[in-house]
Amino acid sequence: SAVISQKPSRDICQRGTSLTIQCQVDSQVTMMFWYRQQPGQSLTLIATANQGSEATYESGFVIDKFPISRPNLTFSTLTVSNMSPEDSSIYLCSAIRDVNNEQFFGPGTRLTVL
Amino acid sequence: AQKVTQAQTEISVVEKEDVTLDCVYETRDTTYYLFWYKQPPSGELVFLIRRNSFDEQNEISGRYSWNFQKSTSSFNFTITASQVVDSAVYFCALKGSGYSTLTFGKGTMLLVSP
Repeated sequence: SAVISQKPSRDICQRGTSLTIQCQVDSQVTMMFWYRQQPGQSLTLIATANQGSEATYESGFVIDKFPISRPNLTFSTLTVSNMSPEDSSIYLCSAIRDVNNEQFFGPGTRLTVL
Repeated sequence: AQKVTQAQTEISVVEKEDVTLDCVYETRDTTYYLFWYKQPPSGELVFLIRRNSFDEQNEISGRYSWNFQKSTSSFNFTITASQVVDSAVYFCALKGSGYSTLTFGKGTMLLVSP
């Protein structure tokens, strides 16, 4: 298994500002992902964070709004840019070590945008 | 395309009742993996089980059991003698072969009252 930590655990932000969420895994992993969970909803994949290259975004998500970095095999960041109240969600980092392993999740970052 | 359907939005039971959470999936992959996750009110996503498409044996872990039936594309989850601590949202998820990511169902909220 992999232990995933996220910072911050929660934040309240003002409209128009940006927040960077950090994700740290306790061991090297093959793939890292970022999900969004809007209130009362299921998890939606934002993007796959690729080490050393641009992230792969899902339909409906763009790099300008959700820039992602992954400088090494254990760390990634997600920035939520120019926030609006609609961005209020839980943002979860996830990782798998190899194709046969379970996909593990961080504890999530609860974001509230006023 | 992959799809996971959890038709039960919310289930309420009284402690010690047995409860079954339904999950129906669609995939064109011959090799795939099915998962159940628990999300308590605190928000973290807790991995419960992974089952691959070639293993149709039912599994029991304490009060939890899972019934995988390829013929009906279902992967149902039963909690025996439910407890208040079982109250959470439960997600069924599907992952295809290779380095694909998870497709989640919409989740079933289970409320167990004393």
